[in-house]
Amino acid sequence: GENVEQHPSTLSVQEGDSAVIKCTYSDSASNYFPWYKQELGKRPQLIIDIRSNVGEKKDQRIAVTLNKTAKHFSLHITETQPEDSAVYFCAAANNNDMRFGAGTRLTVKP
Amino acid sequence: GAVVSQHPSWVICKSGTSVKIECRSLDFQATTMFWYRQFPKQSLMLMATSNEGSKATYEQGVEKDKFLINHASLTLSTLTVTSAHPEDSSFYICSAGGGINYEQYFGPGTRLTVT
Repeated sequence: GENVEQHPSTLSVQEGDSAVIKCTYSDSASNYFPWYKQELGKRPQLIIDIRSNVGEKKDQRIAVTLNKTAKHFSLHITETQPEDSAVYFCAAANNNDMRFGAGTRLTVKP
Repeated sequence: GAVVSQHPSWVICKSGTSVKIECRSLDFQATTMFWYRQFPKQSLMLMATSNEGSKATYEQGVEKDKFLINHASLTLSTLTVTSAHPEDSSFYICSAGGGINYEQYFGPGTRLTVT
């Protein structure tokens, strides 16, 4: 089955700096790669996603890149703000079969 | 995105009792619903996938007789934790999916504490 690895497990940045979170996956059949943001005690919220036919996608301060050959994808947050502090999960899915990374706790220091 | 509700948001029950958690897709028809379990500071672990009108598919290591899942309609799935024990205490989150793009939208979660 699919195995998703996520790094780093914790990340602390200064407000205004960029943050990068990286994930690798094992199943070459995976075709959908979402990123979720989860604040303490709340539901995961989809913040951006990318499909296997696209190499990069951007939405304001958030971007995701995908390298299907190497089986890795990354989340980039620019101009970080304190409200970006949360746990971020990557996931890889082969249609309805979605597996999550272990999560990255991002802290943005004001 | 889609709106998914979950009820109750938290529940405390005594060991040996059963607890039912409801997951509702409020604004779209979810052909597939997923149940996850999340321990503190850990990732989401898929417990089972259910398709409307059919039996759920459980992940390896998840006891189907202990975690009963029913997906009777396109907008409602239920998870019943039977004969709950303290080790079942966790955050249970459902998600609704099954659209053509395979996105999943999560419910707010249910925190179960078994005493």
